[in-house]
Amino acid sequence: EVQLVQSGAEVKKPGESLKISCKASGYSFSDYWIAWVRQKPGKGLEWMGIIYPDDSDIRYSPSFQGQVTISADKSINTAYLQWSSLKASDTAMYYCARRQYTFPYYYMDVWGKGTTVTVSS
Amino acid sequence: IQLTQSPSFLSASVGDRVTITCRATQGIRSYLAWYQQKPGKAPNLLIYGASTLQSGVPSRFSGSGSGTEFTLTISSLQPEDFATYYCQQLNYYLFPFGPGTKVDI
Repeated sequence: EVQLVQSGAEVKKPGESLKISCKASGYSFSDYWIAWVRQKPGKGLEWMGIIYPDDSDIRYSPSFQGQVTISADKSINTAYLQWSSLKASDTAMYYCARRQYTFPYYYMDVWGKGTTVTVSS
Repeated sequence: IQLTQSPSFLSASVGDRVTITCRATQGIRSYLAWYQQKPGKAPNLLIYGASTLQSGVPSRFSGSGSGTEFTLTISSLQPEDFATYYCQQLNYYLFPFGPGTKVDI
């Protein structure tokens, strides 16, 4: 079964660092781009960026460039999203999703269940 | 490229035909997907390529459009369809979502 398993909920203080993970199974991890999507409480979906695990090619949304770091370790089939200094405004649910390609279209066909990040003093 | 959706909210009954519109600020050919999200759950892919139904998705869902205007139609609303629906543009490497349409009873 193709799945993305995300790390558990996090509660952090402002200024702390954090790295959350997304572990893939059931398919060749290196062959598919993995995206990160933010959803603030009661709000819509926001595209953060995407990584190609085979060579770690990364594309960030301009809104998130410099605010987060996306990475991947293909040896353990895991993608990451990290912050060096969290803010209260980073409180949200974060989803990872696999980008699929069926000529000529892309789409996000497999999603993780999400990681809740709460930042509060 | 930005996406807008209308309406933001709609109230409907079981059995109703429901149509949601997504508009792009620039032409995106058919590079559009639709997702359904229920409270506390991850989004679920319904349609890609503007009109191709994802495997396993009920046939009451359909999509149409190209360029700048797209529609998602639910032919006969079922109780499990009450959710929020998002469109997403998938061209190049920036894949923004629309703001969502909540379908409520």
